[in-house]
Amino acid sequence: DSGVTQTPKHLITATGQRVTLRCSPRSGDLSVYWYQQSLDQGLQFLIQYYNGEERAKGNILERFSAQQFPDLHSELNLSSLELGDSALYFCASSVPTQGVNTEAFFGQGTRLTVV
Amino acid sequence: GQNIDQPTEMTATEGAIVQINCTYQTSGFNGLFWYQQHAGEAPTFLSYNVLDGLEEKGRFSSFLSRSKGYSYLLLKELQMKDSASYLCAVRDVNTGNQFYFGTGTSLTVIP
Repeated sequence: DSGVTQTPKHLITATGQRVTLRCSPRSGDLSVYWYQQSLDQGLQFLIQYYNGEERAKGNILERFSAQQFPDLHSELNLSSLELGDSALYFCASSVPTQGVNTEAFFGQGTRLTVV
Repeated sequence: GQNIDQPTEMTATEGAIVQINCTYQTSGFNGLFWYQQHAGEAPTFLSYNVLDGLEEKGRFSSFLSRSKGYSYLLLKELQMKDSASYLCAVRDVNTGNQFYFGTGTSLTVIP
């Protein structure tokens, strides 16, 4: 158990709909990263938050947005869903409050299927 | 940007040794990481190198040469359960300590 919790584990929704994926980082970790992994593809970085502020953006579509709340949990919002958005979405966290960099710890992912 | 290259697929025999290579280019190198990922599961951390040399952890070792932008993951005494994808990642201090992942090497262990 990495200590990173993602909900829901599975999500099936129709095209055009909007969904919200939730991530609770490891206790004390300030950074949250979101990644998308399509079938047989690598991890594509979407966005990073650090202590509530957006730190970096990757290949994130305009239909997607995210935020990190004061309690450090994060949500990834996907709207106007298309079939091609079907993928595993991973959240990872790192950087404990003591300021020592650590590896990224991954949640179990949310498998999104758009039908 | 960051360019991370690793072979797409490898096959090795149970009990043998396999070496998975990774080359990278990054402006603000701040560590190289290896992860294991079984299909449909989360990546799990295997090893970390920030200084040149070899880090050993049981059956797994990882090597880094910063001047060459090169790392390898060595797996000894291969077991069937080692069949998985192995991801090389670099952290870049110039972009907020981002983790940039390669596309992974799919390792198949055969009897």
